[in-house]
Amino acid sequence: QLQLQESGPGLVKPSETLSLSCSVSGGSISSSSYYWAWIRQPPGKGLEWIGSVYNSGITFYNPSLKSRVTISVDRSKNHFSLKLSSVTAADTAVYYCARAPQWLGPFDIWGQGTMVTVS
Amino acid sequence: DIQMTQFPSSLSASVGDRVTITCRASQSIGTSLNWYQQKLGKAPKLLIFAASSLQGGVPSSFSDSGSGTDFTLTISSLQPEDFATYYCQQTYSTPPTFGQGTKVQL
Repeated sequence: QLQLQESGPGLVKPSETLSLSCSVSGGSISSSSYYWAWIRQPPGKGLEWIGSVYNSGITFYNPSLKSRVTISVDRSKNHFSLKLSSVTAADTAVYYCARAPQWLGPFDIWGQGTMVTVS
Repeated sequence: DIQMTQFPSSLSASVGDRVTITCRASQSIGTSLNWYQQKLGKAPKLLIFAASSLQGGVPSSFSDSGSGTDFTLTISSLQPEDFATYYCQQTYSTPPTFGQGTKVQL
């Protein structure tokens, strides 16, 4: 069964770049037509889609974050990554990676999430 | 962006109760509406997609109705494991957006 696992630093300094990785196990990131996404949730708040990447490398970003976000896929390592630049305290959140079966589809598999604090 | 508004933001219920949660979109989204359940400290779990399709393994006590702008998630008989926060999400247009959540508590 496909599983996703986020990894990366739990603490990032203001103005620096947040970098996270999502490892895909139980299946190949490039063998199917899924979209791979990052979603975040500030403490006690709701969910915000950050962006998605297709296994070809095509990306889609939330316009509210587009200027600071880069999502990429590494098929050789079977993972995809998130970089968010110039972070502030407002970027403190639990960051989830997730899978969608099609573009603008539901997120049917999620990682457990990783807490990132900007301080 | 399409705004998704859920109400109530929280509700108190007992085991066996019938629970309804409403989600309203700021414009018509057809049936491009999904529901998630999130328990404390856990990732969201997909319950229903495309407004009416139950995700595999989800009990039939969960159902959705609606199209256009107004949707309702119904739990026909609340079980102890159903106490959680529920989110709706539209996938009609980008960016996909979520409601603010409805907390179902004892």
